[in-house]
Order: sequence, then C-alpha cells, then structure tokens
Amino acid sequence: ETGVTQTPRHLVMGMTNKKSLKCEQHLGHNAMYWYKQSAKKPLELMFVYSLEERVENNSVPSRFSPECPNSSHLFLHLHTLQPEDSALYLCASSQVTGIGDTQYFGPGTRLTVL
Amino acid sequence: AQSVTQPDIHITVSEGASLELRCNYSYGATPYLFWYVQSPGQGLQLLLKYFSGDTLVQGIKGFEAEFKRSQSSFNLRKPSVHWSDAAEYFCAVGARQAGTALIFGKGTTLSVSS
Repeated sequence: ETGVTQTPRHLVMGMTNKKSLKCEQHLGHNAMYWYKQSAKKPLELMFVYSLEERVENNSVPSRFSPECPNSSHLFLHLHTLQPEDSALYLCASSQVTGIGDTQYFGPGTRLTVL
Repeated sequence: AQSVTQPDIHITVSEGASLELRCNYSYGATPYLFWYVQSPGQGLQLLLKYFSGDTLVQGIKGFEAEFKRSQSSFNLRKPSVHWSDAAEYFCAVGARQAGTALIFGKGTTLSVSS
C-alpha cells in the first residue's frame, strides 16, 4: 500500500448503528486529519492529530469520536448519526516540520445515513 | 475572516483550449496556497503549491499557478486542456503554522467538450 488509504470506501448505516472509519498513512508523516465533504459546501476540518495528540476540534458533534493510536493510523468512530451526516469523509496526513506542510489525502469514505 | 473564493462553479472548455480557474483568498498573514483536483469518487490529489519564492509555480499534469499578492489571487492555468482534465478543482489556503487546517474554496467543476 502507498499513500493514504481509507476503509471502507462506502458505508451505509442506520441512525442507531455504531461504525468506525479507518485511515492509514504509509508516508511516514506525523500529523493526520479528518475532513468532511458535503454536497455544495467546502471541505470542513473535523479533527487534527499532530504527533498523536489532538490539537484542534472544530466544534464537531460528540457523535463523532476520533482515535489516533499511533502516527500511522486514524479512526473515526460513529454513533447515533443523523441523515445530515451523510457525506464523503476524507483523511489526510502531513509531515509537520515547523515551517508549513503539505497535506496528502486518501480516497475517502462515502457515508450514507438512513 | 479567513476564506477562499472560487467564483466559477462550473466551467466548460473545449479540448485543446486554454484554461484558467480563478481563486481569491482572504487571509490575515502570508499564506501557503494549494490547488487540488478531485475526480469523481476519488480523494483530493495535490496539483501544486506555493510556499515562497517564485510566484509562478509549476505542478503536475501541465498545470501552473501564479500568486499575485496585490490581488490576493492564486489562479490555476493550463495551456491546452485534455479530456482527462475533467474533474473538480479546489483552491486551498493554509497557515504557516504546520499541523493546522486547510481552508478550501467550494470548488470549480471543469467539463471538457470535444
């Protein structure tokens, strides 16, 4: 595997289900991100982990819960979601060097909440 | 407030014709600037970036972009469009502090006619 991978690529879940999205980066980076891409809206940052510590939580509802067990893996745990949470969820990673960085994205997970 | 504006929601260009996609930003400090491309069902692929130095930057697939500080613009250009360039294009601005969110525009959808 190369770059940033995400599984599953597609997910359909009911409002009472619990599921998790997985992201893995094979780039040796030390920061990982979750973005949400909804129709007709700009990409929105949800969470940032830098050096495995969460450094920014963009006022995301508690029904989304991130986990970063190590610098290569990032999870997004989902529970009791709403239909408006249906979107493409993108993971990204970067190498934090102190002078700016470039984020590389995975293919995304297309989530549909029924 | 920090923002990125892509004035054109949808552009259609004939194959072989030149292309310019517009991007304007509002940012408190000197930003880092990026262009990403997203094909249907895919994640975001980095086309090019501007951090400092020469204001005309070259990217992949024959794209280039020019940073104009006085106009707060970072327009993307390609001299001759190919049918495979049909996709959605996103301009983004990032802080010089690493490990922070990118702020994206709403995107421009490019269609290529034969």
